[in-house]
Amino acid sequence: IQMTQSPSSLSASVGDRVTITCRASQSISNYLNWYQQKPGKAPKLLISAASSLQSGVPSRFSGSGSGTDFTLTISSLQPEDFATYYCQQSHSTPYTFGQGTKLEIK
Amino acid sequence: QVQLQESGPGLVKPSGTLSLTCAVSGGSISSSNWWTWVRQPPGKGLEWIGEIYHSGSTNYNPSLKSRVTISVDKSKNQVSLKLTSVTAADTAVYYCTRPSYSSSMGYYFDSWGQGTLVTVSS
Repeated sequence: IQMTQSPSSLSASVGDRVTITCRASQSISNYLNWYQQKPGKAPKLLISAASSLQSGVPSRFSGSGSGTDFTLTISSLQPEDFATYYCQQSHSTPYTFGQGTKLEIK
Repeated sequence: QVQLQESGPGLVKPSGTLSLTCAVSGGSISSSNWWTWVRQPPGKGLEWIGEIYHSGSTNYNPSLKSRVTISVDKSKNQVSLKLTSVTAADTAVYYCTRPSYSSSMGYYFDSWGQGTLVTVSS
């Protein structure tokens, strides 16, 4: 299953609302995870099952979608949110990742 | 919360074999989990390599299947990765990770090691 994220990079300002899109090449139901990765660090799970926020993750992060189209939204960007974001399908192995979206400060 | 620690040579020669181990603490390797390896070439995205269940069942990425072996050592509570016939394209940070599972959410990767960089070079 191929996962396609858009955009590949995004410039935004603190306080902005941003949306990242992930599309699967076939239906994956809601088996879609979102990760945040900062330089030199392992990925951190933000959202599982398309919309289930992990414990400790700020409520400004939200996810939605099912089937083939999914979105990650950050409602009001904070300085610590500038990072790279990846989607991943867990419908069937190999559990493929999107190519990533690098979120940069404008 | 389980903790994962990768270790192994940081430099491997082309055509050689990459060998890494993942030490598991705070939990048993024999618990009901799939133990997984993911890699990330410098400046690039994440690639799922494969997984192993404590029983020994494995699933591998078809793109690497002919070169990959993942195994468990229950006595040492660790998981191992071997990748043969390596080239510069196998240079990457290698992560050990363990997904959690629920029937409603499927698998989600909430436990990761810190990763270890392996460079393939002569």
